[in-house]
This record gives sequence, C-alpha cells and structure tokens, in this order.
Amino acid sequence: DTAVSQTPKYLVTQMGNDKSIKCEQNLGHDTMYWYKQDSKKFLKIMFSYNNKELIINETVPNRFSPKSPDKAHLNLHINSLELGDSAVYFCASSSGGDGNTIYFGEGSWLTVV
Amino acid sequence: QQQVKQSPQSLIVQKGGISIINCAYENTAFDYFPWYQQFPGKGPALLIAIRPDVSEKKEGRFTISFNKSAKQFSLHIMDSQPGDSATYFCAASLDNYGQNFVFGPGTRLSVLP
Repeated sequence: DTAVSQTPKYLVTQMGNDKSIKCEQNLGHDTMYWYKQDSKKFLKIMFSYNNKELIINETVPNRFSPKSPDKAHLNLHINSLELGDSAVYFCASSSGGDGNTIYFGEGSWLTVV
Repeated sequence: QQQVKQSPQSLIVQKGGISIINCAYENTAFDYFPWYQQFPGKGPALLIAIRPDVSEKKEGRFTISFNKSAKQFSLHIMDSQPGDSATYFCAASLDNYGQNFVFGPGTRLSVLP
C-alpha cells in the first residue's frame, strides 16, 4: 500500500507541451504539497493545500496550476513547458498531528527536450 | 530569515566512522526540526526529528544535537554503514496549517566499505 503515489514516474516531453502529474494519498491527511527538486538536489516548496484550500503558493510561474478535487488528491498541471522545468517533482502530505511528518511520494522525473 | 543553512555539501566517511552534518537557522519561531534521508530515485523520508525543548534525541545510531541559543542543530550517525549512503536534508518548520517546511540544501553522504 503506497501512502503517497504519483504518476507518471517518468515523463519526457517537448518544449511548449502541456502535461499533468497526478497525486493521491491514502493516509487521511489534510495537507498536501508539491515540491520541486532540481539537479543540485535543492528541495523547494511550490504549493500547499489544506482541505482543498490553497495555503502556500510560492513564487512559481503561472504556467503551473495545482488542482485539488478532494483532500486525498492534488494534481499539478504545467502549461507551455520550458527546458528549465526539467526536475523531479515530489508530491507530499502531512497531518500535523503526528509530529509534523511530511510523507513524500517517489517523485515524477520530468525532462523537457 | 526563512533559510536553513547546511554543511558540508558532501561527506565521505569510512565504514564504522562517525558522520556529522550541521545545520543553522535564523527564525527563532521555528519549533520543529526534522532530518530527512533520501536514497537515489526515491522521495525523502523522515529519519529523526527534535523539538527545541530538548537538547538531544537519539534513535539507534542516529542522534540529533540541538543548540537553541546558537540556533544550530546537527545529525550524528554513529558506526556509519555503506547502507547509510544517501542525501540528508535538515529542515525547520512552524507548527501551523500548511506547515511551511524549509529544507536545507542537502548533504550527500558516501560511506566507503
């Protein structure tokens, strides 16, 4: 039973395309996140949702749009992909009730060519 | 003020040695300090965490030392093993909705057999 699952795991696409990454958590958590990890391994938060409500929206281009249909899902849609968008995108969730532990998915490796 | 600094960037240790990774923060409002471990191709996973009301926490071979006055904390891995080779991230957060975690830049640990 994967706690935080995201698809696809690997994605290779051309510049200018639109793509989506889906995320689901079965932990019953109220808060979900999207993180971006670049080639130097820096982990940077992009968005945070609490009970489907946007809580954190860091400085991210408007081409990135999160969608939370319910508190167990947080999808990421990216328009007009650019070379600099190539990175690993991690979905994560937390409850705040168990020591603030964040549970990460295995990542989606996006390569824009 | 939201930054968490981490050093060293990379660390090579012989099997059986002690690995030490240091972190420093500025925001005195942070009240939760976790360490995450990330293996290649996987998402980060919680290793050990501490709150500022204690100066040390030990779990098996892993120990966090916390110095509130200096705003520093460190991870010590005793009897380091090749299986400990991974990237380690320190983090700091505020205990609120959205739990805006701030991650350090990571330390790549290699334990030689």
